[in-house]
Amino acid sequence: QKEVEQNSGPLSVPEGAIASLNCTYSDRGSQSFFWYRQYSGKSPELIMFIYSNGDKEDGRFTAQLNKASQYVSLLIRDSQPSDSATYLCAGGDTGRRALTFGSGTRLQVQP
Amino acid sequence: DAGVTQSPTHLIKTRGQQVTLRCSPKSGHDTVSWYQQALGQGPQFIFQYYEEEERQRGNFPDRFSGHQFPNYSSELNVNALLLGDSALYLCASSAQPGGYTFGSGTRLTVV
Repeated sequence: QKEVEQNSGPLSVPEGAIASLNCTYSDRGSQSFFWYRQYSGKSPELIMFIYSNGDKEDGRFTAQLNKASQYVSLLIRDSQPSDSATYLCAGGDTGRRALTFGSGTRLQVQP
Repeated sequence: DAGVTQSPTHLIKTRGQQVTLRCSPKSGHDTVSWYQQALGQGPQFIFQYYEEEERQRGNFPDRFSGHQFPNYSSELNVNALLLGDSALYLCASSAQPGGYTFGSGTRLTVV
């Protein structure tokens, strides 16, 4: 059973702080990892993806991947109230095949 | 550039009925995947179509079937609807490993 685990939250951080979202996965065949943001009642929106061990930065977002520990994280710097949403972590194998999603972490950024 | 388009946006059906959901992928994308998202859960993979063939299937019963047309658009059919089929149905398209683009979804309610 391929699983992606996330803490459901809510994770509450003050405006301007760093939000740290974590995800673990059980399938060592997973090669690529994706973070999606989903506002209530809306569809998931891709934030960023990561394939290689280490960090990948895109604006205020940094994804971190540790394949040995089967751990993926997303850091959001200078958190804004508009970042309040559910963040979904997903893992996939090589190629354009099925993604396995976690159940998401709800982030609340307090003004 | 139009993104992924899904129709209808909302649908109410009675138990035992059949439903067809439609998806037009983002321009340039040739792979379409369908996901089911129950309230408070992450999306669950139903199946993926590529070159008009079902390339991969998730753990869903045969009541769920699909089709991809030569223009890459796709349909999801669900027969003998159950109350438990009530969910947000998401279509995602891609052209290369790098993340999927999701449509806005179809909210199906079975009564």
